[in-house]
Formats: sequence, structure tokens, C-alpha cells
Amino acid sequence: DQQVKQNSPSLSVQEGRISILNCDYTNSMFDYFLWYKKYPAEGPTFLISISSIKDKNEDGRFTVFLNKSAKHLSLHIVPSQPGDSAVYFCAASAERSGGGADGLTFGKGTHLIIQP
Amino acid sequence: GAGVSQSPRYKVAKRGQDVALRCDPISGHVSLFWYQQALGQGPEFLTYFQNEAQLDKSGLPSDRFFAERPEGSVSTLKIQRTQKEDSAVYLCASSPGNEQFFGPGTRLTVL
Repeated sequence: DQQVKQNSPSLSVQEGRISILNCDYTNSMFDYFLWYKKYPAEGPTFLISISSIKDKNEDGRFTVFLNKSAKHLSLHIVPSQPGDSAVYFCAASAERSGGGADGLTFGKGTHLIIQP
Repeated sequence: GAGVSQSPRYKVAKRGQDVALRCDPISGHVSLFWYQQALGQGPEFLTYFQNEAQLDKSGLPSDRFFAERPEGSVSTLKIQRTQKEDSAVYLCASSPGNEQFFGPGTRLTVL
């Protein structure tokens, strides 16, 4: 039973346009959400995160939106650049009882391809 | 560099062999995580350390998997009597708080 779902295995976007990657989750205990970018043969690289007390977080070209009632988040990249071509993973965590960090639950990833 | 490092980067083992995978976290990071990533999947949580204490090992798939972090810095993931289904990329991450920073992973292939 997948608790974090990325329903689009791949997405192709023209350079300069907006890329929108979507993620849905089922566990209402999740209170922190992250996006990671992964190139082949490398580990995931942290991009941006959002706490459940917010509905938007922006960092340069990257913006993450959280809709708690729909249990949905999205990552917007604008403008898209060729170097953005990678696999993007959505991840979520729940505050560990007693404090401390928690293991992340990942989606299966979306392969973003930026076309020139 | 200042990032998380893992060794070896690639490991080929014959079925039944024991393997040991090493993780050097970012200096000062209290939390350390191990994940397993199968082909075409997202990383899946294996185990979590806070300093030298293993606080969660609920993701370890069997008792053939063992992890340690004796001095609260370097960690080793050991897999005994490897099986073909253990073939995956094993990722280590360290964290100062909420964000986790990943190493490049060790790709394990069991023949």
C-alpha cells in the first residue's frame, strides 16, 4: 500500500515553460514534505520542503504547494531549464513520537525531461 | 568534500556471501538513515540511528540485515548470506533536522 504516490512516471516540458510535478499521499500523520532531484548514478539531492503548517514555499525557480485537505502537493519549476532533466521524488515524514527525525516515505518518482 | 560518502560505490557478490557497506555522514549530523532503492522504485526506509543508538530498525527486510554506528559517526550496513532479491542501491542519509542529505549510494548486485 503506497502512502506516497507519484502517478506520472514521466513528464516532458519545453525549455522555458513551467514544469508541474504532482504528488498525493494517504497518511494523514505526515506533517513534513520534501522534494528530491536525482541524476543517474547519484544519490537524491534535496530541493525544497514544506511543513504542514504552510501551503506554499518558494525558493528561486522552485515552488512547492501543499493542499492538506486534498492530501496533495505539487512542485512548480519555472522557467524550466535543460539541467532540470532528472528524476524527481516526493517524500513525506511524520513527527516521531518522543521527538527526533523520521524515516522518509518516498514516491516512485517522476522522470522530467526538458526539451530544447 | 563535505557531503555524505559511501563505499564501495559498486559491489558484486555471489549468492550466500556476506557484504558490508560503509557510510560516512556529514560531520556533526546526529541522525543517520539507511534506505534500499530497487530498480524503478523510490528509496525505502531500512533503519535510523540517533548518534550511536539504533532507534528504528522496522524497515530491515530480514534478520540477515544488520546495521551499526558504534561511535555515532560512521555506519556500516551488513547483509549476511546475500540473496538475489537483495540486489539494489543502498543509500545512506544524514540529517541535522528535517532535511536528509544523501550519499551517492552503493549498488549491490547479487549473482
